[in-house]
Amino acid sequence: DTEVTQTPKHLVMGMTNKKSLKCEQHMGHRAMYWYKQKAKKPPELMFVYSYEKLSINESVPSRFSPECPNSSLLNLHLHALQPEDSALYLCASSQEPGLRYNEQFFGPGTRLTVL
Amino acid sequence: AQSVAQPEDQVNVAEGNPLTVKCTYSVSGNPYLFWYVQYPNRGLQFLLKYITGDNLVKGSYGFEAEFNKSQTSFHLKKPSALVSDSALYFCAVRADNNAGNMLTFGGGTRLMVKP
Repeated sequence: DTEVTQTPKHLVMGMTNKKSLKCEQHMGHRAMYWYKQKAKKPPELMFVYSYEKLSINESVPSRFSPECPNSSLLNLHLHALQPEDSALYLCASSQEPGLRYNEQFFGPGTRLTVL
Repeated sequence: AQSVAQPEDQVNVAEGNPLTVKCTYSVSGNPYLFWYVQYPNRGLQFLLKYITGDNLVKGSYGFEAEFNKSQTSFHLKKPSALVSDSALYFCAVRADNNAGNMLTFGGGTRLMVKP
């Protein structure tokens, strides 16, 4: 299995809702990432998990809360989002966190719309 | 600090003609360089990478890239473009001494291949 899966594909939520995005990989990768991507722009790094521990938080607002329950799963919990948070949310993984030449494998993304 | 520049927002090529998508980078250490492609409403797909050694790197779908250290460039090339190559292309860099293991993306170049 050489892919990263993300659910749901699309999500529409109100500003008072609580929802979660899910990401899964079974490649044995020990680094996992959340990115936010606006239309026609490059992905912006949000969080990095190395060996299931949060290693980087790119000053993301607390309304985004990541969780890594095990080495294959990565969640992003959403609460009280703003319309400007509407974007494509991408999950990615790579082999060993310390090996900087490893490429990242991206999932298809979750298209989030906040009303 | 590390950065990537993709000087062209869009590149237009006729099918069957060679294509080049430009990328220049800046890092404080030795660079690891990557090219990704993104089709509409999809995640990023890895094409190729430069780690060390041969300056000409071959990747997926007939793409190749040439690393030029003196010009700090890593241009993506293909000898004969296909209409199906039309997509958004991102160049990315990570320095070998990047403690945070972060990948820096260029702004992206939209490739349009016309029949």
